[in-house]
Amino acid sequence: AQSVSQHNHHVILSEAASLELGCNYSYGGTVNLFWYVQYPGQHLQLLLKYFSGDPLVKGIKGFEAEFIKSKFSFNLRKPSVQWSDTAEYFCAVTSNFGNEKLTFGTGTRLTIIP
Amino acid sequence: EPEVTQTPSHQVTQMGQEVILRCVPISNHLYFYWYRQILGQKVEFLVSFYNNEISEKSEIFDDQFSVERPDGSNFTLKIRSTKLEDSAMYFCASGDYEQYFGPGTRLTVT
Repeated sequence: AQSVSQHNHHVILSEAASLELGCNYSYGGTVNLFWYVQYPGQHLQLLLKYFSGDPLVKGIKGFEAEFIKSKFSFNLRKPSVQWSDTAEYFCAVTSNFGNEKLTFGTGTRLTIIP
Repeated sequence: EPEVTQTPSHQVTQMGQEVILRCVPISNHLYFYWYRQILGQKVEFLVSFYNNEISEKSEIFDDQFSVERPDGSNFTLKIRSTKLEDSAMYFCASGDYEQYFGPGTRLTVT
């Protein structure tokens, strides 16, 4: 069975600081990987995704993530955060067959201090 | 930009009552999903739906749950006899390799 671990439950940063949120997954086959963001009071939005190819993927709002297959990791990064990045961030995985259920991590709450 | 919509945004019901949560997926999508998030916990898969039938369901999705696509646009989740532990945020999603989520319905069972 698939599983996803997000070890940072709550991260507090000052504006302009660099961000890295950890995500590790467990699955025996090839996977598709996602980061979703949930701003306060809003629904889940896709930040970025990895299906295949270049393991460094760029998403919206200056976010990027790197797939490291040997470490089963897909960490989310942003070089300089803004107050508007305050949100809950969820890592998720599916098998790469498509049309499959998403398995989510527990989420990381990010608080940016102005 | 097309969106997944859900109604109602908040539903309060008494234990033992039936509830129907409604979703309108993005119009050209063929795969539909329901997830739920109990307060403070992770988002959990409930069921996926394709070609008018369930393609996968989780162990959470027991006999008290059912899904239906009653017409060409709506996708519903019915809980026949609600329990206190059904209180959660219920998200509908549609899509194929990428899933697009609706805003959710907060279900409160009292």
